[in-house]
Formats: sequence, C-alpha cells, structure tokens
Amino acid sequence: DAKTTQPNSMESNEEEPVHLPCNHSTISGTDYIHWYRQLPSQGPEYVIHGLTSNVNNRMASLAIAEDRKSSTLILHRATLRDAAVYYCILRDSWGGGADGLTFGKGTHLIIQP
Amino acid sequence: DAGITQSPRYKITETGRQVTLMCHQTWSHSYMFWYRQDLGHGLRLIYYSAAADITDKGEVPDGYVVSRSKTENFPLTLESATRSQTSVYFCASSSSGTYNEQFFGPGTRLTVL
Repeated sequence: DAKTTQPNSMESNEEEPVHLPCNHSTISGTDYIHWYRQLPSQGPEYVIHGLTSNVNNRMASLAIAEDRKSSTLILHRATLRDAAVYYCILRDSWGGGADGLTFGKGTHLIIQP
Repeated sequence: DAGITQSPRYKITETGRQVTLMCHQTWSHSYMFWYRQDLGHGLRLIYYSAAADITDKGEVPDGYVVSRSKTENFPLTLESATRSQTSVYFCASSSSGTYNEQFFGPGTRLTVL
C-alpha cells in the first residue's frame, strides 16, 4: 500500500480554521484519499474522502493537490470537540473495500480554548 | 439499538484462558473487520470478512480465530490469551465498495494478566 506522512501533532485555537496536511508522494492513480479521526477513548470515525477534486461535507473539506501527491483536511472552524487524532489513509479502488484500512500514526490535533 | 456494538467493553483475563469478543451490527453490512490498537503501533487489522462464512487474515492474525455464521455477528476469539494480546480491540463494518466508510464500534479494552 502507498504510504502517507503526517505531522505528529498540531495545535490550533478554538473557532479558527485548521489545515491538516498529508503527503502521499507514491499514490497510484486508483488510490482514494480517506480521512478518519479518533476522539479520545472512542473508535475511529470517517471524516471525508476524495479522488482528484476537492470535496466538502458537513464535517470538513478536503483539498487535493493537482499532482495528488499531497492533500489537506480543512476544519473551517475548530471546536474543542474536534480535538482528536486525524488519520490520512489511501485506499485502492481495486480492493473493493474488503481488505481493511491501513492506519499510520496520524496527527494529534490539540485545540486551545 | 441500531449501529455497531461490542461486548464486553472491558475484560480482564489470565494467560492461557480462552476469550471471545463479540461484535454485532444492525445495518446488514457485507464487510466486517477486527482491529487492535496498541500504544506505538496505531490500529492494525487482525481479520476481516467479506460476507457470512468468508473470512481472511489481516496484518496480525496469529493467536486469533474468527467466525461469521450470520451477517450481523463477527466474534473474535483468543484461544489461549497471552499478555501481548493486552490491547484495545475495535470492530468495524462497511457496505461493499472501496468508497464506503467503515463504521467502528466503541472498542473492548482487554487486559491479560
């Protein structure tokens, strides 16, 4: 599986936007970019995913570089509830989804009040 | 209740004992997964299942057994627990397809003495 690289931790202030970067320089043409997050003492939860175009949903936005070698998860207005570990994960579309997710160490996002 | 549930939430056992962790989902999702999460390793896939009676090994299957006789249940058994299997175990499910999000249960914290 193609590998992702994320900063170990980031800190932001409440009610400010947060940009979480992810590098995936060996991404293949069939890899989707998925983001999950894990709040303290909970299981991971899906945030967003995309292939080539930028994506928006109620939780966040995903900006994908034109060459697809990097992406950025954007939380438009962070709250204390957004403090979590954020994982950037590549999924091969040919896998059919049956082979599970490969989690890295993720980025520990700290939100200051 | 609708969703994905795990039981027990906490379990303490002794080395050599058999332990079964239960996972139940109410969405009739085809795919189900077991992960373990340890400090320093992140989440790692133990076993997965594409449908009833179809299971396959993930990254760290040794010491574990799974079965899936019904779509909604995916129990994980530690046949002879070892201290190295002390971990937090997460079950997940998803509908078919690479794009579909995985839904995670709340986790079972297992301690093997």
